[in-house]
Amino acid sequence: NAGVMQNPRHLVRRRGQEARLRCSPMKGHSHVYWYRQLPEEGLKFMVYLQKENIIDESGMPKERFSAEFPKEGPSILRIQQVVRGDSAAYFCASSLNQETGGEAFFGQGTRLTVV
Amino acid sequence: KNQVEQSPQSLIILEGKNCTLQCNYTVSPFSNLRWYKQDTGRGPVSLTIMTFSENTKSNGRYTATLDADTKQSSLHITASQLSDSASYICVVSGTGGGNKLTFGTGTQLKVEL
Repeated sequence: NAGVMQNPRHLVRRRGQEARLRCSPMKGHSHVYWYRQLPEEGLKFMVYLQKENIIDESGMPKERFSAEFPKEGPSILRIQQVVRGDSAAYFCASSLNQETGGEAFFGQGTRLTVV
Repeated sequence: KNQVEQSPQSLIILEGKNCTLQCNYTVSPFSNLRWYKQDTGRGPVSLTIMTFSENTKSNGRYTATLDADTKQSSLHITASQLSDSASYICVVSGTGGGNKLTFGTGTQLKVEL
Protein backbone atom coordinates (compact mmCIF):
# COMPACT_ATOMS: atom_id res chain seq x y z
CA ASN A 1 0.00 0.00 0.00
CA ALA A 2 1.82 3.05 -1.25
CA GLY A 3 1.75 6.12 0.90
CA VAL A 4 0.53 9.55 -0.11
CA MET A 5 2.15 10.39 -3.43
CA GLN A 6 2.84 13.94 -4.49
CA ASN A 7 4.31 15.13 -7.74
CA PRO A 8 6.30 16.79 -8.84
CA ARG A 9 8.72 16.87 -5.92
CA HIS A 10 10.24 20.10 -7.19
CA LEU A 11 8.64 22.69 -9.44
CA VAL A 12 10.14 25.88 -10.79
CA ARG A 13 7.88 28.49 -12.32
CA ARG A 14 8.43 32.01 -13.59
CA ARG A 15 6.28 34.79 -12.22
CA GLY A 16 2.91 34.81 -13.94
CA GLN A 17 2.91 31.14 -14.88
CA GLU A 18 0.59 28.49 -13.51
CA ALA A 19 1.60 25.78 -11.05
CA ARG A 20 -0.23 22.47 -10.76
CA LEU A 21 0.51 20.24 -7.80
CA ARG A 22 -0.83 16.70 -7.69
CA CYS A 23 -1.63 14.46 -4.76
CA SER A 24 -2.73 10.83 -4.78
CA PRO A 25 -4.02 9.81 -1.36
CA MET A 26 -3.38 6.48 0.28
CA LYS A 27 -5.51 3.66 -1.04
CA GLY A 28 -8.93 3.77 0.54
CA HIS A 29 -8.57 7.33 1.86
CA SER A 30 -11.22 9.76 0.70
CA HIS A 31 -10.19 12.78 2.78
CA VAL A 32 -7.44 15.03 1.43
CA TYR A 33 -5.86 18.08 3.04
CA TRP A 34 -3.41 20.59 1.60
CA TYR A 35 -0.94 22.54 3.71
CA ARG A 36 1.69 25.15 2.94
CA GLN A 37 5.00 25.45 4.73
CA LEU A 38 7.01 28.62 4.39
CA PRO A 39 10.69 28.62 5.40
CA GLU A 40 11.15 28.72 9.18
CA GLU A 41 7.38 28.44 9.71
CA GLY A 42 4.97 25.67 10.67
CA LEU A 43 2.56 24.02 8.27
CA LYS A 44 -0.57 26.04 7.63
CA PHE A 45 -3.86 24.47 6.60
CA MET A 46 -5.16 25.49 3.18
CA VAL A 47 -8.04 23.30 2.06
CA TYR A 48 -9.87 20.08 2.92
CA LEU A 49 -11.54 18.03 0.21
CA GLN A 50 -13.49 14.85 -0.17
CA LYS A 51 -14.23 13.26 -3.52
CA GLU A 52 -15.78 15.97 -5.75
CA ASN A 53 -16.39 18.27 -2.79
CA ILE A 54 -14.55 21.10 -1.10
CA ILE A 55 -15.37 20.80 2.59
CA ASP A 56 -13.28 23.59 4.06
CA GLU A 57 -11.23 26.14 2.14
CA SER A 58 -10.85 28.63 4.95
CA GLY A 59 -7.06 28.56 4.70
CA MET A 60 -6.85 29.15 0.99
CA PRO A 61 -6.11 32.60 -0.47
CA LYS A 62 -9.22 33.96 -2.16
CA GLU A 63 -7.50 34.67 -5.46
CA ARG A 64 -5.30 32.61 -7.78
CA PHE A 65 -5.56 29.41 -5.71
CA SER A 66 -7.98 26.57 -6.37
CA ALA A 67 -8.21 22.90 -5.49
CA GLU A 68 -10.14 19.93 -6.70
CA PHE A 69 -10.45 16.23 -5.92
CA PRO A 70 -12.28 14.62 -8.84
CA LYS A 71 -14.09 11.32 -8.73
CA GLU A 72 -11.23 9.74 -10.63
CA GLY A 73 -7.60 10.76 -10.36
CA PRO A 74 -5.49 12.76 -7.96
CA SER A 75 -6.29 15.91 -6.06
CA ILE A 76 -4.93 19.02 -7.76
CA LEU A 77 -3.82 22.26 -6.15
CA ARG A 78 -3.65 24.95 -8.80
CA ILE A 79 -1.94 28.30 -8.43
CA GLN A 80 -2.48 30.77 -11.22
CA GLN A 81 -0.19 33.70 -12.04
CA VAL A 82 2.36 32.68 -9.43
CA VAL A 83 4.32 35.32 -7.51
CA ARG A 84 7.57 35.01 -5.56
CA GLY A 85 5.63 34.83 -2.30
CA ASP A 86 4.09 31.54 -3.43
CA SER A 87 7.48 29.86 -3.11
CA ALA A 88 7.03 27.25 -0.40
CA ALA A 89 6.68 23.55 0.29
CA TYR A 90 3.17 22.29 -0.29
CA PHE A 91 2.17 19.15 1.55
CA CYS A 92 -0.80 16.94 0.99
CA ALA A 93 -2.18 14.60 3.63
CA SER A 94 -4.92 12.01 3.51
CA SER A 95 -6.97 10.23 6.13
CA LEU A 96 -9.38 7.35 6.22
CA ASN A 97 -12.07 9.35 7.94
CA GLN A 98 -12.67 12.74 9.42
CA GLU A 99 -12.98 11.63 13.03
CA THR A 100 -10.91 13.65 15.42
CA GLY A 101 -8.69 10.72 16.28
CA GLY A 102 -8.00 9.91 12.68
CA GLU A 103 -4.39 10.00 11.70
CA ALA A 104 -3.40 12.07 8.70
CA PHE A 105 -0.60 10.64 6.54
CA PHE A 106 1.57 13.14 4.73
CA GLY A 107 3.17 13.04 1.33
CA GLN A 108 6.75 14.11 0.66
CA GLY A 109 5.68 17.54 -0.48
CA THR A 110 6.16 19.64 -3.60
CA ARG A 111 8.70 22.41 -3.34
CA LEU A 112 7.62 25.30 -5.50
CA THR A 113 10.16 27.92 -6.46
CA VAL A 114 9.00 31.01 -8.29
CA VAL A 115 11.75 32.85 -10.14
CA LYS B 1 -6.37 32.43 18.63
CA ASN B 2 -5.23 28.80 18.50
CA GLN B 3 -1.50 28.57 18.97
CA VAL B 4 1.13 25.90 19.49
CA GLU B 5 4.52 26.97 20.81
CA GLN B 6 7.55 24.74 20.97
CA SER B 7 10.85 25.00 22.77
CA PRO B 8 13.69 24.99 22.32
CA GLN B 9 13.76 26.20 18.74
CA SER B 10 16.87 24.13 18.10
CA LEU B 11 18.96 21.65 20.04
CA ILE B 12 22.28 19.89 19.55
CA ILE B 13 23.08 16.77 21.56
CA LEU B 14 25.66 14.01 21.46
CA GLU B 15 24.76 10.56 20.23
CA GLY B 16 23.53 8.36 23.03
CA LYS B 17 22.25 11.22 25.18
CA ASN B 18 18.62 11.85 26.09
CA CYS B 19 16.65 15.01 25.40
CA THR B 20 13.22 16.48 26.07
CA LEU B 21 11.27 18.78 23.78
CA GLN B 22 8.44 20.99 25.04
CA CYS B 23 5.11 22.04 23.59
CA ASN B 24 2.56 24.51 24.99
CA TYR B 25 -0.76 25.07 23.31
CA THR B 26 -3.84 27.24 23.53
CA VAL B 27 -6.02 25.31 21.07
CA SER B 28 -9.66 25.05 22.06
CA PRO B 29 -11.65 22.90 21.81
CA PHE B 30 -9.03 20.19 22.21
CA SER B 31 -9.28 16.75 20.69
CA ASN B 32 -5.80 15.26 20.55
CA LEU B 33 -2.12 16.15 20.44
CA ARG B 34 0.32 14.63 17.98
CA TRP B 35 4.06 14.62 17.65
CA TYR B 36 5.50 14.35 14.14
CA LYS B 37 9.06 13.87 12.95
CA GLN B 38 10.00 15.70 9.77
CA ASP B 39 13.29 14.88 8.09
CA THR B 40 14.77 17.56 5.86
CA GLY B 41 13.02 17.58 2.52
CA ARG B 42 10.42 15.02 3.59
CA GLY B 43 6.86 15.03 4.83
CA PRO B 44 5.98 14.76 8.53
CA VAL B 45 5.68 11.26 9.95
CA SER B 46 3.51 10.59 12.98
CA LEU B 47 5.22 9.46 16.21
CA THR B 48 2.37 9.54 18.73
CA ILE B 49 -1.25 10.66 19.07
CA MET B 50 -2.59 11.41 22.55
CA THR B 51 -6.14 12.15 23.56
CA PHE B 52 -7.38 14.17 26.51
CA SER B 53 -7.40 11.19 28.88
CA GLU B 54 -3.89 9.95 28.09
CA ASN B 55 -0.95 11.16 30.17
CA THR B 56 1.87 9.29 28.50
CA LYS B 57 2.46 7.25 25.38
CA SER B 58 5.59 5.55 24.12
CA ASN B 59 6.78 4.57 20.67
CA GLY B 60 10.16 2.88 20.91
CA ARG B 61 12.69 5.43 22.15
CA TYR B 62 10.10 8.21 21.98
CA THR B 63 7.88 8.94 25.00
CA ALA B 64 5.28 11.69 24.90
CA THR B 65 3.51 13.17 27.92
CA LEU B 66 0.41 15.30 28.05
CA ASP B 67 -0.95 17.52 30.82
CA ALA B 68 -4.32 18.68 29.52
CA ASP B 69 -4.85 20.89 32.56
CA THR B 70 -1.77 23.02 31.95
CA LYS B 71 -1.94 22.46 28.18
CA GLN B 72 1.59 21.21 27.99
CA SER B 73 3.22 18.25 26.30
CA SER B 74 6.74 16.92 26.10
CA LEU B 75 8.55 14.49 23.85
CA HIS B 76 11.42 12.59 25.44
CA ILE B 77 13.97 10.88 23.22
CA THR B 78 16.11 8.22 24.86
CA ALA B 79 19.56 7.11 23.73
CA SER B 80 19.59 9.41 20.73
CA GLN B 81 20.91 8.25 17.37
CA LEU B 82 22.25 10.18 14.41
CA SER B 83 19.06 9.34 12.52
CA ASP B 84 17.04 11.24 15.12
CA SER B 85 18.33 14.47 13.58
CA ALA B 86 15.16 16.10 12.27
CA SER B 87 12.48 18.65 13.06
CA TYR B 88 9.98 17.52 15.70
CA ILE B 89 6.60 19.11 15.31
CA CYS B 90 3.85 19.31 17.92
CA VAL B 91 0.40 19.36 16.36
CA VAL B 92 -2.86 19.93 18.21
CA SER B 93 -6.19 18.89 16.81
CA GLY B 94 -9.47 20.60 17.53
CA THR B 95 -12.79 18.92 16.87
CA GLY B 96 -12.81 17.96 13.23
CA GLY B 97 -10.24 16.35 11.03
CA GLY B 98 -7.05 17.39 9.31
CA ASN B 99 -8.54 20.81 8.66
CA LYS B 100 -8.49 21.48 12.39
CA LEU B 101 -4.79 20.84 13.02
CA THR B 102 -2.64 23.61 14.47
CA PHE B 103 1.06 23.07 13.89
CA GLY B 104 3.96 24.27 15.98
CA THR B 105 7.04 25.56 14.18
CA GLY B 106 9.04 22.59 15.40
CA THR B 107 12.24 21.93 17.33
CA GLN B 108 15.21 21.32 15.10
CA LEU B 109 17.24 18.51 16.68
CA LYS B 110 20.75 17.68 15.62
CA VAL B 111 22.50 14.60 17.00
CA GLU B 112 26.28 14.62 16.68
CA LEU B 113 29.04 12.09 17.26
